[in-house]
Amino acid sequence: GQNIDQPTEMTATEGAIVQINCTYQTSGFNGLFWYQQHAGEAPTFLSYNVLDGLEEKGRFSSFLSRSKGYSYLLLKELQMKDSASYLCAVRLDNFNKFYFGSGTKLNVKP
Amino acid sequence: DAGVTQSPTHLIKTRGQHVTLRCSPISGHKSVSWYQQVLGQGPQFIFQYYEKEERGRGNFPDRFSARQFPNYSSELNVNALLLGDSALYLCASSLATSSSYEQYFGPGTRLTVT
Repeated sequence: GQNIDQPTEMTATEGAIVQINCTYQTSGFNGLFWYQQHAGEAPTFLSYNVLDGLEEKGRFSSFLSRSKGYSYLLLKELQMKDSASYLCAVRLDNFNKFYFGSGTKLNVKP
Repeated sequence: DAGVTQSPTHLIKTRGQHVTLRCSPISGHKSVSWYQQVLGQGPQFIFQYYEKEERGRGNFPDRFSARQFPNYSSELNVNALLLGDSALYLCASSLATSSSYEQYFGPGTRLTVT
């Protein structure tokens, strides 16, 4: 079976830094993905890790440790528009079979 | 370029009825995946089609079926609807090669079963 765990909800202050953790146990692994989903909208791609280490993309960074089955998404200089759900997903095969976590709802306060 | 399109946007059906949801991928994308997203949960994988063949299936009953057409558009069919089928149904398209990892989601179809 597949299992992805991430916190249900987090709150942070505008301008601050927040780290959203994700642990996974899956039958296959071909990359760890983070998506952002605003309420009532479709998920949009944020980042992708297939090798261990940190990938930086503007205000967003993502880290992967395959041996630990662990990833995190780091959001810097938080803005109000960052209030959304953040979905951790594992690509299971060479095609595009993805397994998603339940998402972390991030609330950014002024 | 147009993104992934889905129709209809919203749909209300009665228990026991049948529904067909449609998806048009981004031009050039040969893979289409279908997901079910219940409120407060992450998307749950239903099917993936690539070059008109089913490449993956999630843990959904046989009431759920899908197909992909020669133009790479796709349909998701659900028979004998249950209240629990009420959800946002998302379609995602991608190139689906080992070096192309990004999938693009459509706006979804909100299905309500009463």
